Amino acid sequence: EPEVTQTPSHQVTQMGQEVILRCVPISNHLYFYWYRQILGQKVEFLVSFYNNEISEKSEIFDDQFSVERPDGSNFTLKIRSTKLEDSAMYFCASSTRGGLSEKLFFGSGTQLSVL
Amino acid sequence: DQQVKQNSPSLSVQEGRISILNCDYTNSMFDYFLWYKKYPAEGPTFLISISSIKDKNEDGRFTVFLNKSAKHLSLHIVPSQPGDSAVYFCAASGANAGKSTFGDGTTLTVKP
Repeated sequence: EPEVTQTPSHQVTQMGQEVILRCVPISNHLYFYWYRQILGQKVEFLVSFYNNEISEKSEIFDDQFSVERPDGSNFTLKIRSTKLEDSAMYFCASSTRGGLSEKLFFGSGTQLSVL
Repeated sequence: DQQVKQNSPSLSVQEGRISILNCDYTNSMFDYFLWYKKYPAEGPTFLISISSIKDKNEDGRFTVFLNKSAKHLSLHIVPSQPGDSAVYFCAASGANAGKSTFGDGTTLTVKP
């Protein structure tokens, strides 16, 4: 069964450093998302992406964050200058369509630790 | 502002019995509700969903009930199996289906 893959599974970085989290969505999917879950807290929406542009973003997704689909297969989340509070599990997800009934397929996540 | 709440952090049931997981929401603009299951070290996996125009949706052992007037939904698993042991998230979405608001999750343990 096709799946969303995320690399790396764990990322440790120093505060103030840039990190790029990578995702390969399911090949025929058109809509892409990033969510995150801080330890002990809810899964939170960050951003949705369609047709090479952001379709919606949350308040969390400030200027320090950016997303890109640099080629036909990868979808990346960049955090320019990491803060301690960015430590979380980051999940990439994709879906075939953006319609209301569309379910999301999630990757296994990247655990980001900012020291 | 917790728009989606799962008041029970954990639930334990015996194998073969029914598991009932509950979820409440406050935002009347939500049109679609989903349940995801999550195992440790994995991402959430879609389980079942329901549109706000329905009050019940069934898929095998899983049934979701929606009470719009009470802003409440529940997931019934019957019969429960040990492999169902996982964290279950209720999620709700509005116009942008991909922008789901998740509840805190309920950890279900099914004992053999």
